[in-house]
Amino acid sequence: QVQLVQSGSELKKPGAAVKVSCKASGYTFTSYAMNWVRQAPGQGLEWMGWINTNTGNPTYAQGFTGRFVFSLDTSVSTAYLQIRSLKAEDTAVYYCAREFGGRVWFDPWGQGTLVTVSS
Amino acid sequence: QSVLTQPPSASGTPGQRVTISCSGSSSNIGSNYVYWYQQLPGTAPKLLIYRNNQRPSGVPDRFSGSKSGTSASLAISGLRSEDEADYYCAAWDDSLSVLGVFGGGTKLTVL
Repeated sequence: QVQLVQSGSELKKPGAAVKVSCKASGYTFTSYAMNWVRQAPGQGLEWMGWINTNTGNPTYAQGFTGRFVFSLDTSVSTAYLQIRSLKAEDTAVYYCAREFGGRVWFDPWGQGTLVTVSS
Repeated sequence: QSVLTQPPSASGTPGQRVTISCSGSSSNIGSNYVYWYQQLPGTAPKLLIYRNNQRPSGVPDRFSGSKSGTSASLAISGLRSEDEADYYCAAWDDSLSVLGVFGGGTKLTVL
């Protein structure tokens, strides 16, 4: 079955970096774009952007430029989200989501990765 | 503040019909499809409605979506306790600075 499996929770200090992985299975990885969505504690969903899994070209939403990097390793059907220079306000659950048939048509979603930034 | 506006909460008793609204603008709902996601407590969001009013296989027909102009609605009929969750609308936005947008979410309580 189609599924996205993300890496486990992370606890990082301010200023450090983190890399979250999202491994796809059950479909041709390069046939669908991958999106990233953030959910801060007790808050709603926030679209971070997407990456073209054919070209590797990323598009970042406002507020997610500079410290956020989307990347791929197509040989292992995996997308990555790297966050540099972590801040306390980056504490959130990060989801990857396959873009199925159109913009913001996300199916399925990964299970989420909690990133906690604390000194 | 979210680009799409949803009521923060909604409630109903088992068997009732509940609707959740999602208000946007001409650059998002007015010109693009609307999607709805259900997030059960402690879990990842799940696609509930796509392209305004289509249900993925496996989603009960108690759930229905509609769109008119710059607003959309999710209706849940025959409310069940397991429907207690957060519901989010989403759309693409054609304006220069905003692309994918979500509503702020509506917490549905089954009384």
